Amino acid sequence: NAGVMQNPRHLVRRRGQEARLRCSPMKGHSHVYWYRQLPEEGLKFMVYLQKENIIDESGMPKERFSAEFPKEGPSILRIQQVVRGDSAAYFCASSLFRDGSEQYFGPGTRLTVT
Amino acid sequence: AQKVTQAQTEISVVEKEDVTLDCVYETRDTTYYLFWYKQPPSGELVFLIRRNSFDEQNEISGRYSWNFQKSTSSFNFTITASQVVDSAVYFCALSGPNYGGSQGNLIFGKGTKLSVKP
Repeated sequence: NAGVMQNPRHLVRRRGQEARLRCSPMKGHSHVYWYRQLPEEGLKFMVYLQKENIIDESGMPKERFSAEFPKEGPSILRIQQVVRGDSAAYFCASSLFRDGSEQYFGPGTRLTVT
Repeated sequence: AQKVTQAQTEISVVEKEDVTLDCVYETRDTTYYLFWYKQPPSGELVFLIRRNSFDEQNEISGRYSWNFQKSTSSFNFTITASQVVDSAVYFCALSGPNYGGSQGNLIFGKGTKLSVKP
């Protein structure tokens, strides 16, 4: 009964490169949420997806960030042309239902931009 | 607007002491959900509890207990007889119902760092 999986666990990118973060939800979960944890800022919601649909991206920066959750395969959070300010821990969570049910988190991806 | 306040930034206790972590929330929704998560030094987020706004019964799970009081908009977390392994950052979170602009995403407090010393 695998939990939420994220990879890579650590990612180092130079400024201007692209970062791709992957998230496989718990088995049977079709709701995926991405959160970012910046130092001293706590956890902030970025985007909520269901299979093949972005439901709410109100927390995601308008430029350089995108997310998808295809019919097959993991959810992807993509950051283009990374800058130092993107350095953070990115967490993915999944839930069984949409109605405020428990969200189970993956181990996170620590992105470092040099 | 929804908001979660964890006024205690850091707490330090000695093993076997009881400790209460405070959480105060703001929301205009009548239906909402409250959560606590633990983030140990290893960095992962561990789900501890979920309560809905219609269930004000306190809950106990081993050494952990939660006190939900709608009258004061608080959802406090108590660890009894703390242990070194309880050292972590604890986050309180709030989510609203899935209609309108609220899609069930979690709004987190800034967390309380608990250090339990032997």
